Amino acid sequence: GAVVSQHPSWVICKSGTSVKIECRSLDFQATTMFWYRQFPKQSLMLMATSNEGSKATYEQGVEKDKFLINHASLTLSTLTVTSAHPEDSSFYICSARDSDGGFYNEQFFGPGTRLTVL
Amino acid sequence: SQQGEEDPQALSIQEGENATMNCSYKTSINNLQWYRQNSGRGLVHLILIRSNEREKHSGRLRVTLDTSKKSSSLLITASRAADTASYFCATDAEQAGTALIFGKGTTLSVSS
Repeated sequence: GAVVSQHPSWVICKSGTSVKIECRSLDFQATTMFWYRQFPKQSLMLMATSNEGSKATYEQGVEKDKFLINHASLTLSTLTVTSAHPEDSSFYICSARDSDGGFYNEQFFGPGTRLTVL
Repeated sequence: SQQGEEDPQALSIQEGENATMNCSYKTSINNLQWYRQNSGRGLVHLILIRSNEREKHSGRLRVTLDTSKKSSSLLITASRAADTASYFCATDAEQAGTALIFGKGTTLSVSS
């Protein structure tokens, strides 16, 4: 199947700093990528939909100025957590749809990025 | 938005027993998918069942889908300790290009 990578796989940062997470589709093009957040012992919650060449669409309750999303190419989307605080510590997972996959196209998930804010 | 609800939230069984997890959802779907996640790890795609399918098998997995009741079940037969993980259903809406929406998950513990 198609591969989605994330970098870094884990990051520890100080409160108040910004952290950028990259999501890449390695062997397919993705006009649409998605960012999820997962707190311990909870499910994945959709944060935003990232569209190549246009603004991201954020889910209700997700601060767009805090979680900056840039989908600059058909294979790369980035999520920047600005002015991170301990409550932003979470597991961030991206996914991507194959642009040529048609209506039943599968959504491929990255391995996730563990963010710990001290 | 989270629309799937899994039942039970936690399940503990012995090796060799069968495990059944249920998932309910709220809106019309294109397909429903089941994922496994080991603690602290990424998602593993298990099986996809389309809205026009009622049952699907993959190895020891059996998935059913009842669109009239907006529910699905995942059966793992002859469970093994390695099946210990969290299991999530995820629904794919009829509108193309939308994100998968995950249920709350079932934590399965299989003891040897």
